[in-house]
Amino acid sequence: QVQLVESGGGVVQPGRSLRLSCAASGFTFKSFSMFWVRQAPGKGLEWVATISFDGSHKYYADSVKGRFTLSRDNSENTLDLEMNSLRGDDTAVYYCTRVDAYWGQGTLVTVSS
Amino acid sequence: QAVVTQEPSLTVSPGGTVTLTCGSNTGAVTSGHFPFWFQQKPGHAPRTLIYDTNNKHSWTPARFSGSLLGGKAALTLSGAQPEDEAEYYCLLSYSGAHWVFGGGTKLTVL
Repeated sequence: QVQLVESGGGVVQPGRSLRLSCAASGFTFKSFSMFWVRQAPGKGLEWVATISFDGSHKYYADSVKGRFTLSRDNSENTLDLEMNSLRGDDTAVYYCTRVDAYWGQGTLVTVSS
Repeated sequence: QAVVTQEPSLTVSPGGTVTLTCGSNTGAVTSGHFPFWFQQKPGHAPRTLIYDTNNKHSWTPARFSGSLLGGKAALTLSGAQPEDEAEYYCLLSYSGAHWVFGGGTKLTVL
């Protein structure tokens, strides 16, 4: 069956970096654009970034542009989100998703001193 | 910066029908925005119900349908069940380069 499994979340100090990973299985990963979506505690969903099926196009929300970098490895079926210069308002559950169908369970990132 | 608007809350009676809408401050929502609808229950990840305006998955209950209505995307629930009580979010694409979620609609079945 389809699985999207995020990893890499945790507690990090403001200004530091963190790398999230997503391992995909059960569908033809290389054929689909993939997304990261986040949800701050008690808040709604926020689009973070999108990468095209082949990795040639990447799009970022204004709130993370210049700080976050999205990449994928279609040979390993993995999606990564490198997050730099983290701030308190980056605290959220981060979901890896093929928004037209599948979502991971999310990984919590807490930015706090 | 696009803003996507949803009703903050709606209530529907069991067995009743309710329509949730998703509007954009940039103008009418069209099929070119590829409207998506997601259901999220407390403590759970979102689940995709509708993609590309009106397409369903095998797991989408038949009582849910997507459409365009009066310049907005719409999610209609016909024959509400208690298990449909949840938060519902829409997502719109802006030229494929920028994506915006609505603020969510808290649906109560009562």
